[in-house]
Amino acid sequence: DAGVIQSPRHEVTEMGQEVTLRCKPISGHNSLFWYRQTMMRGLELLIYFNNNVPIDDSGMPEDRFSAKMPNASFSTLKIQPSEPRDSAVYFCASSPTVGGASYGYTFGSGTRLTVV
Amino acid sequence: KQEVTQIPAALSVPEGENLVLNCSFTDSAIYNLQWFRQDPGKGLTSLLLIQSSQREQTSGRLNASLDKSSGRSTLYIAASQPGDSATYLCAVRQGGSEKLVFGKGTKLTVNP
Repeated sequence: DAGVIQSPRHEVTEMGQEVTLRCKPISGHNSLFWYRQTMMRGLELLIYFNNNVPIDDSGMPEDRFSAKMPNASFSTLKIQPSEPRDSAVYFCASSPTVGGASYGYTFGSGTRLTVV
Repeated sequence: KQEVTQIPAALSVPEGENLVLNCSFTDSAIYNLQWFRQDPGKGLTSLLLIQSSQREQTSGRLNASLDKSSGRSTLYIAASQPGDSATYLCAVRQGGSEKLVFGKGTKLTVNP
């Protein structure tokens, strides 16, 4: 299995531009998570999906952030308009839920976003 | 609200030493606890997963223990090597939720 795949690995954009981050979870994993990591705040959950349905988006910082999961193999996190304070590493992770029991997470390699 | 704390924030040891990393959490109603390793500029690699009904898990030189009632977990690394240098993160999954709450990690440096 190729693991959780994120793209792009690095993104540099100007303030005000739209940014779209992409994630392909592990096949068969029915939970998908978007996290943001900064030095100050560590890893924070932004949103998670279960069976393609958003379950908890309480960590999404503002209306500028939106996430979609149109099918079981693809998710996007969009920031519009981007601001310098959005600069961080964004991680996608997936997890199987089997028979009601949750198993461990697998993380992607992350997207390092820099907004100038 | 669940809070996860890892102490110390940084640790430097000579090669070959056995060491213990600590993780504490405020709400004992967890589903499981997972230890991750993160190398600089990289993603997170899962090391060990302990279900709430388990007391410990072992993988090679790593041993993780869980004391749910006291809200503590430890990661024991035996015979440390320079290649073990990384940041180690502890994360708990609450019962009834899919999300993980992370500690801020312990940055480990193993000196040759």
